[in-house]
Amino acid sequence: GAVVSQHPSWVICKSGTSVKIECRSLDFQATTMFWYRQFPKQSLMLMATSNEGSKATYEQGVEKDKFLINHASLTLSTLTVTSAHPEDSSFYICSASPTRGTYNEQFFGPGTRLTVL
Amino acid sequence: AQTVTQSQPEMSVQEAETVTLSCTYDTSESNYYLFWYKQPPSRQMILVIRQEAYKQQNATENRFSVNFQKAAKSFSLKISDSQLGDTAMYFCAFMKEGGAQKLVFGQGTRLTINP
Repeated sequence: GAVVSQHPSWVICKSGTSVKIECRSLDFQATTMFWYRQFPKQSLMLMATSNEGSKATYEQGVEKDKFLINHASLTLSTLTVTSAHPEDSSFYICSASPTRGTYNEQFFGPGTRLTVL
Repeated sequence: AQTVTQSQPEMSVQEAETVTLSCTYDTSESNYYLFWYKQPPSRQMILVIRQEAYKQQNATENRFSVNFQKAAKSFSLKISDSQLGDTAMYFCAFMKEGGAQKLVFGQGTRLTINP
């Protein structure tokens, strides 16, 4: 149980286009989901906290107009990178916190590799 | 703000040996959770072990155990009888109790198990 999926797993796009990444909790409901960014050989950096039915909370330095987050249901959160540029190329990881869970667990998706040409 | 520090960027041991990964953290919170996550080459984050700060007993999960020193704000991970499949990046993480359940990660330690 406690599986989180991400789609797509890998995407290449042209500079200036927008890309949407989906994060789904497959066998549990998640009121809260998190979006992370990981550059090569670096740690995970939290970008934003996504709350079902409300606006996302962005970390300092993350452009909310560039990284649009929508958490429309208890099993789906989406991250849209708008007007992507090469510097947005990175590995994006989501995690989901079960609505009914213990120990403040977070379950991670397999990640999405974004390459902007 | 909380910070997590992993001072060992890379470590390498032989298969079957025991290895200890270091982690220190800084917080003014009294109640919190600590985690070790493993990220293998697939890049899927896997929870290895967790510790509640209010528990004095060190957590263990099969070959994985921690040495939690609350006063020293230290949380090291010991891997016994290391296996080739343990090769991965290991991240120490902190989460304060309540609130937004945010995880704060350390820089990571790249562990290589050699045959």
